[in-house]
Amino acid sequence: NAGVTQTPKFQVLKTGQSMTLQCAQDMNHNSMYWYRQDPGMGLRLIYYSASEGTTDKGEVPNGYNVSRLNKREFSLRLESAAPSQTSVYFCASSEADTRSYEQYFGPGTRLTVT
Amino acid sequence: AQSVAQPEDQVNVAEGNPLTVKCTYSVSGNPYLFWYVQYPNRGLQFLLKYITGDNLVKGSYGFEAEFNKSQTSFHLKKPSALVSDSALYFCAVERRGNNRLAFGKGNQVVVIP
Repeated sequence: NAGVTQTPKFQVLKTGQSMTLQCAQDMNHNSMYWYRQDPGMGLRLIYYSASEGTTDKGEVPNGYNVSRLNKREFSLRLESAAPSQTSVYFCASSEADTRSYEQYFGPGTRLTVT
Repeated sequence: AQSVAQPEDQVNVAEGNPLTVKCTYSVSGNPYLFWYVQYPNRGLQFLLKYITGDNLVKGSYGFEAEFNKSQTSFHLKKPSALVSDSALYFCAVERRGNNRLAFGKGNQVVVIP
């Protein structure tokens, strides 16, 4: 099992450019999440998907869109990148049932917007 | 709303000494509580969780944590720290049923040889 995979690992964008961050999991989890990590602020939830076909806003959704393409894949799109979106982005997945609730994280994408 | 406070930015401890990383939480109703660890340039790794039952939970790499409902705390402990425990530690809380985690800002742990 690869667990949670993310592409790309690194990306540099100019202000106004767009891009899509890809995430896939092979654990057959229903729930998937996108977070951003900024120094001294911990992880903040951008969007999450409780199951295939559903998405919900998290704490900081402005400037982002998501697509739950199927059960395995959950992508995050920046339509017009801004310097404030410079961050490390993590995708995670979980199976919220009576056996386990923990989230499993991907390795992250380090995004710089100039 | 749910939130976590990790009051210390950095915890320094000598190798072999006990390690404690503090966490307090705020949530309506009963919480699910978690600790994660992050090594440099890596994603977060799950350490342990409190869902229900015994207030003392044991996790990976010799770590444990105690759920204290009256003090709304979930401090992480290890009896004897190793240099390899140097990392960033995050506490997180979930209000039961909403399937969303709120993370603290993280604590940098430095274990001094």
